[in-house]
Amino acid sequence: ETGVTQTPRHLVMGMTNKKSLKCEQHLGHNAMYWYKQSAKKPLELMFVYSLEERVENNSVPSRFSPECPNSSHLFLHLHTLQPEDSALYLCASSQDPRDTDTQYFGPGTRLTVL
Amino acid sequence: GQSLEQPSEVTAVEGAIVQINCTYQTSGFYGLSWYQQHDGGAPTFLSYNALDGLEETGRFSSFLSRSDSYGYLLLQELQMKDSASYFCAVNRDDKIIFGKGTRLHILP
Repeated sequence: ETGVTQTPRHLVMGMTNKKSLKCEQHLGHNAMYWYKQSAKKPLELMFVYSLEERVENNSVPSRFSPECPNSSHLFLHLHTLQPEDSALYLCASSQDPRDTDTQYFGPGTRLTVL
Repeated sequence: GQSLEQPSEVTAVEGAIVQINCTYQTSGFYGLSWYQQHDGGAPTFLSYNALDGLEETGRFSSFLSRSDSYGYLLLQELQMKDSASYFCAVNRDDKIIFGKGTRLHILP
């Protein structure tokens, strides 16, 4: 039980669709993260939020739009994605954004873009 | 640049000991972490070395040598449930950078 939940677990969407991924952490942490995990590539950090403010954006295309309404919830809004965006999208949280040594991950959303 | 190198796959026998190495070409980082990820699951934190030397947590140990730009994860008394991917990661400038991961196969 990781304390970080993600929905949906699987998502198939067309390139013209708009969808959202949801993450919720029940650990009382102050920082939340979105990662992309593609086959045979390292985990790629996409966004970092600290106390609901975005502190990091690793040059992610604008078709990915994060939203952090409060310290427990994180969304990733998707629109006009490309097939190469198919991947596992992982949410994580930590007590502090500088506590990057111990992150707690959610189970991920397996995204397929047709 | 910043990169971490790990073997892509390692195979070992149940009950044996296996070492997964991680070498890096980044400087000025704060520590080396290890994560385990089972197929279809989320990465889970295993260990963290802030200082050089060996950290032991049950059957798992992790080692760091900054002078050699090298670390490893040691798994003892291997069990079939240890079959998973293992990632090393470093903290640098408040970011965490992951290696590509090592797939550990365990034979009965």
